[in-house]
Amino acid sequence: GAGVSQSPSNKVTEKGKDVELRCDPISGHTALYWYRQSLGQGLEFLIYFQGNSAPDKSGLPSDRFSAERTGGSVSTLTIQRTQQEDSAVYLCASSLRVTEQYQPQHFGDGTRLSIL
Amino acid sequence: AQKVTQAQTEISVVEKEDVTLDCVYETRDTTYYLFWYKQPPSGELVFLIRRNSFDEQNEISGRYSWNFQKSTSSFNFTITASQVVDSAVYFCALSEPGAGSYQLTFGKGTKLSVIP
Repeated sequence: GAGVSQSPSNKVTEKGKDVELRCDPISGHTALYWYRQSLGQGLEFLIYFQGNSAPDKSGLPSDRFSAERTGGSVSTLTIQRTQQEDSAVYLCASSLRVTEQYQPQHFGDGTRLSIL
Repeated sequence: AQKVTQAQTEISVVEKEDVTLDCVYETRDTTYYLFWYKQPPSGELVFLIRRNSFDEQNEISGRYSWNFQKSTSSFNFTITASQVVDSAVYFCALSEPGAGSYQLTFGKGTKLSVIP
């Protein structure tokens, strides 16, 4: 498709379960970002990928959070042993990465995660 | 201290009124980028504009205009002749390339309600 695609759009799970969130970026975009949006914290950066490597993981809130990207395309964000404070909308964004000029990030619709 | 401050949490205007959304930022970098995104009730973040730190020209796009002033570290957004479809949460964001990831630091957002 033309835009950033995220799945599932909604996920409800019990506390303690693991969840996987998927992001399919815009074709040709080498940079991929995960953000989290919650009422209390607003929009927060989680992790950045350039190609398959993640040079900036500084926003991951705990070691329960991990992410990978394969083939320079699809990325998966995994949350292990979910806690109620993990409830939020997880947003994925992608952008072209041109060294001379910064490109804007384009966002997907997000995955709304609810931890019971 | 917040790097991006949007002091107006919520604004309500009557249709056809002009409205200005304020954004004040803080950075030590000499090169940086500023953005505005719109988040309608459907949830997707929509890119509106990017401005780099070396370009202080104001920009107009239809009913939208942006006023970037480095002297006051502000990047304000004006909607002229507002319409109901402008109702959304608007986010100002800062990107500082120094970290290498070009991650976005968002303000808390301003919720704009345009009343018919």
